[in-house]
Amino acid sequence: GENVEQHPSTLSVQEGDSAVIKCTYSDSASNYFPWYKQELGKGPQLIIDIRSNVGEKKDQRIAVTLNKTAKHFSLHITETQPEDSAVYFCSPGNSGGSNYKLTFGKGTLLTVNP
Amino acid sequence: EAGVAQSPRYKIIEKRQSVAFWCNPISGHATLYWYQQILGQGPKLLIQFQNNGVVDDSQLPKDRFSAERLKGVDSTLKIQPAKLEDSAVYLCASSAKGRSGANVLTFGAGSRLTVL
Repeated sequence: GENVEQHPSTLSVQEGDSAVIKCTYSDSASNYFPWYKQELGKGPQLIIDIRSNVGEKKDQRIAVTLNKTAKHFSLHITETQPEDSAVYFCSPGNSGGSNYKLTFGKGTLLTVNP
Repeated sequence: EAGVAQSPRYKIIEKRQSVAFWCNPISGHATLYWYQQILGQGPKLLIQFQNNGVVDDSQLPKDRFSAERLKGVDSTLKIQPAKLEDSAVYLCASSAKGRSGANVLTFGAGSRLTVL
């Protein structure tokens, strides 16, 4: 099965700074690379995703970059705000078929200090 | 569109008792998942349904956990008898094709179980 590792496990930044979280995976068949944000007391919510045929995707202050050769992808948050404080999970998978599932990393706790 | 509904939000039971969680997915979502999230960890898949059929239950502790999805809509997850290590948040999710073409999961808020 898929082996997923996230780094760092905790990250503390000042408001306005950038934050980067890296995810490494083992299954070369993975072709879908989403990032989820989980706020306290809520379920994870998709914030950005990328397919294996794309190297980078950006949506306002967040971006995801993929290095399929090295089997890692990263979440980039620029101009961080206190509301970005949450736990972030990467969850690479093989999407498209009926037997589609995601394997979640252990999560990164991001704290944005005002 | 309404989200994934789960109940109860919180449940406290003693070990060896039983508990059941209910999930109502987003209308039209054929695939439904139950995940277990232990404090400080990422969600772990317990069971995946496609309509009312089981696609993957390889990580479901079948000696104590059971799940069903009658009529391919609502689902229930049952634990009997509960153990201390079952204390966790049980997340239900359903999926549909997103803009990227991949199946996008939408999660409910979860049911927090505490076993004493």
